[in-house]
Amino acid sequence: GQQLNQSPQSMFIQEGEDVSMNCTSSSIFNTWLWYKQDPGEGPVLLIALYKAGELTSNGRLTAQFGITRKDSFLNISASIPSDVGIYFCAGLLASGGSNYKLTFGKGTLLTVNP
Amino acid sequence: KAGVTQTPRYLIKTRGQQVTLSCSPISGHRSVSWYQQTPGQGLQFLFEYFSETQRNKGNFPGRFSGRQFSNSRSEMNVSTLELGDSALYLCASSLAGISNYGYTFGSGTRLTVV
Repeated sequence: GQQLNQSPQSMFIQEGEDVSMNCTSSSIFNTWLWYKQDPGEGPVLLIALYKAGELTSNGRLTAQFGITRKDSFLNISASIPSDVGIYFCAGLLASGGSNYKLTFGKGTLLTVNP
Repeated sequence: KAGVTQTPRYLIKTRGQQVTLSCSPISGHRSVSWYQQTPGQGLQFLFEYFSETQRNKGNFPGRFSGRQFSNSRSEMNVSTLELGDSALYLCASSLAGISNYGYTFGSGTRLTVV
């Protein structure tokens, strides 16, 4: 089956620093999604990417859909304490009609020191 | 508008018992998906329901089942519980499927099997 390799597994940074995390796959995807999960809550969608090469921003967050369709990265600029949480990438492969498969990465745990 | 509501939030069960979890999607959303989240395996797709029909299914044993009602509310059932079933079970809804800007997740049900 498809595997998503998300790195790094965890990051410890100082407030104000920029952060970068990425996901790679041996298979191509039609869509890349980035989620953030706070403790005790479900994941919340941050950014959705639909086209190879697409670069999308949401406030301090920027994500890109790799040209090869096998990778994506997420950047967070000027981190703040509330950025703490687990960030997940997810790749969607739609194979026609209602058939699709959504695969999640294992997550990146981000800790921000004030 | 109300988000995705999952009940109960926490549950403790004994091995061999069965459990039913409930998910009420966002009003108007017809697709409901279920995920199992564990520290070791991350987010694993269980199944998706759309208009009361199971549309997609992950690689879980038959002990895991679900259904969707005419009002789009969904239930997930796990029979003959095993210790390894301890996990956070997440429900996510969308208008018609993953292609619509991803899912909105609920806060999950934390199941502990003792």
